[in-house]
Amino acid sequence: DAGITQSPRHKVTETGTPVTLRCHQTENHRYMYWYRQDPGHGLRLIHYSYGVKDTDKGEVSDGYSVSRSKTEDFLLTLESATSSQTSVYFCAISESKGAGDGYTFGSGTRLTVV
Amino acid sequence: GQNIDQPTEMTATEGAIVQINCTYQTSGFNGLFWYQQHAGEAPTFLSYNVLDGLEEKGRFSSFLSRSKGYSYLLLKELQMKDSASYLCAVKNRGSQGNLIFGKGTKLSVKP
Repeated sequence: DAGITQSPRHKVTETGTPVTLRCHQTENHRYMYWYRQDPGHGLRLIHYSYGVKDTDKGEVSDGYSVSRSKTEDFLLTLESATSSQTSVYFCAISESKGAGDGYTFGSGTRLTVV
Repeated sequence: GQNIDQPTEMTATEGAIVQINCTYQTSGFNGLFWYQQHAGEAPTFLSYNVLDGLEEKGRFSSFLSRSKGYSYLLLKELQMKDSASYLCAVKNRGSQGNLIFGKGTKLSVKP
């Protein structure tokens, strides 16, 4: 009954290939986020969405694009994967941007670029 | 700019009390969150502070001083299962209310 799911959970891909990660939510939350987590850096925001077709860049957006054609799905695409994009990717959702609204995270996708 | 600092690692003994500090510099402060993350898992919500003072939730408490840009997470009666990373995150009024995360504190609980 998870309200947020990510797919795939693990992926190994080759340098230069495009990769798409999917985040799916059943909570009807307006806000969705993609973060990457790397040792020594913590969670860093890649892109976020504040509604269908409304997206914006985060701190580390270079090499990534996103799309949100439906409330429930937020896709992250690596246009041409590089080894520096090997990471754990987390999707998160939030009901609003109000002060008390934190995030609920998906289980993560571990991506390895070889 | 924004900056969040917390210790990288801490070690404590089962049954003891541990305090994890977080200092932050940000504009338009709109709340501070603590998350727990076990190895290989997703972060999960622990606590939230927006006003000065202490928020208690069972064995976990969180404190905030906005004037000092300081928070701490207090864990009492430590258990082995409390071994995890603890993430401090700050929300701003701007930037669509995005959470900015510190790098996390890895807590190891020893028998």
